[in-house]
Amino acid sequence: DVKVTQSSRYLVKRTGEKVFLECVQDMDHENMFWYRQDPGLGLRLIYFSYDVKMKEKGDIPEGYSVSREKKERFSLILESASTNQTSMYLCASSPYDIWGSNEKLFFGSGTQLSVL
Amino acid sequence: GDSVTQMEGPVTLSEEAFLTINCTYTATGYPSLFWYVQYPGEGLQLLLKATKADDKGSNKGFEATYRKETTSFHLEKGSVQVSDSAVYFCALIITSGTYKYIFGTGTRLKVLA
Repeated sequence: DVKVTQSSRYLVKRTGEKVFLECVQDMDHENMFWYRQDPGLGLRLIYFSYDVKMKEKGDIPEGYSVSREKKERFSLILESASTNQTSMYLCASSPYDIWGSNEKLFFGSGTQLSVL
Repeated sequence: GDSVTQMEGPVTLSEEAFLTINCTYTATGYPSLFWYVQYPGEGLQLLLKATKADDKGSNKGFEATYRKETTSFHLEKGSVQVSDSAVYFCALIITSGTYKYIFGTGTRLKVLA
């Protein structure tokens, strides 16, 4: 089975801190994604990546950046954490499919980030 | 724009009751449709999918049929169990021009023994 591992289950940070959320997948997937999950809003895409060193903005990229130096690892960075970034962060991966119509996302267990 | 709308929760049922969670979508082209489930403390996992009109996806006793005429993909189960308590997300994938998943807001299901 594909395993997507997020480095922390719970994280508490202070306003203004730089925060790194790490995600590693073990199935050689090309595509990786970062979502945030908030009650009543569902999942919103922050950034995604189709390949090493490649990144694309999702729907809510403001205040975030990402890094993909190796295929298996996709990092989400909060340059200066703010209280409105308190949320559940979910990482996901999927294999490359040129048609894109049959892709299944594999999710990590999530990181609950609290910014105080 | 493209979107997914699903019924608000929470939905509370007794064990062995019939479950329906409504999902409708708006999309250009012919999206594939999915239901994901999130159990407490876990990430989302695929429950079932359908890739074209009139397809029925099924898994673990859950079913959903891709209805193009009503743009719907309602999730059903004939007899729920306490272990089905989770949050259920309807989703579609857009593949025209760009590859993008769109999720609904999620419906929390609580099943009582």
